[in-house]
Amino acid sequence: AQSVTQPDIHITVSEGASLELRCNYSYGATPYLFWYVQSPGQGLQLLLKYFSGDTLVQGIKGFEAEFKRSQSSFNLRKPSVHWSDAAEYFCAVGASGYALNFGKGTSLLVTP
Amino acid sequence: ETGVTQSPTHLIKTRGQQVTLRCSSQSGHNTVSWYQQALGQGPQFIFQYYREEENGRGNFPPRFSGLQFPNYSSELNVNALELDDSALYLCASSFQYEQFFGPGTRLTVL
Repeated sequence: AQSVTQPDIHITVSEGASLELRCNYSYGATPYLFWYVQSPGQGLQLLLKYFSGDTLVQGIKGFEAEFKRSQSSFNLRKPSVHWSDAAEYFCAVGASGYALNFGKGTSLLVTP
Repeated sequence: ETGVTQSPTHLIKTRGQQVTLRCSSQSGHNTVSWYQQALGQGPQFIFQYYREEENGRGNFPPRFSGLQFPNYSSELNVNALELDDSALYLCASSFQYEQFFGPGTRLTVL
């Protein structure tokens, strides 16, 4: 069965500091991997996706993620966090067809 | 190009009632998925429709049902509402494995 684990429920970083959000997955085949961001009371916005090819993928808003098959990980990174990045972040793996299996999310707080 | 829209934005129902939520897919997308997001949790897959046929279902009881129309808009129907059905319901239309989410409908069951 597919599953996604986001080990960190909450993360706090200072504005301007670097960020890494962890995501581990369990999936029987080559996964389709996604990172979404959700601001309070809003829907989900796609930050980036990995289907195949280059394991380092670039997304919107300066985010990037690296697919590591040997570690079953797809961690999200940003070199310098802005206050507007405070939100909930979800990692997801593509299940059968188009259905997505989401992690429980990581809440990011950015301090001045 | 218009995005995915959902209506209503908020809804309050009482236990035992029935509710219908609506979704308008992004232009050109023939697949729609519905998700339930409880407070503090990640979205959970309810079901998916492709060209008006149910194409996959998550671990939700039959009182959760849906429809997809020829214009690819969609409905989620929930019968016999329970308190635990209180959640944000998200609709997503998809094209080539990329899903585009609507803003959601917040359902409160009292």
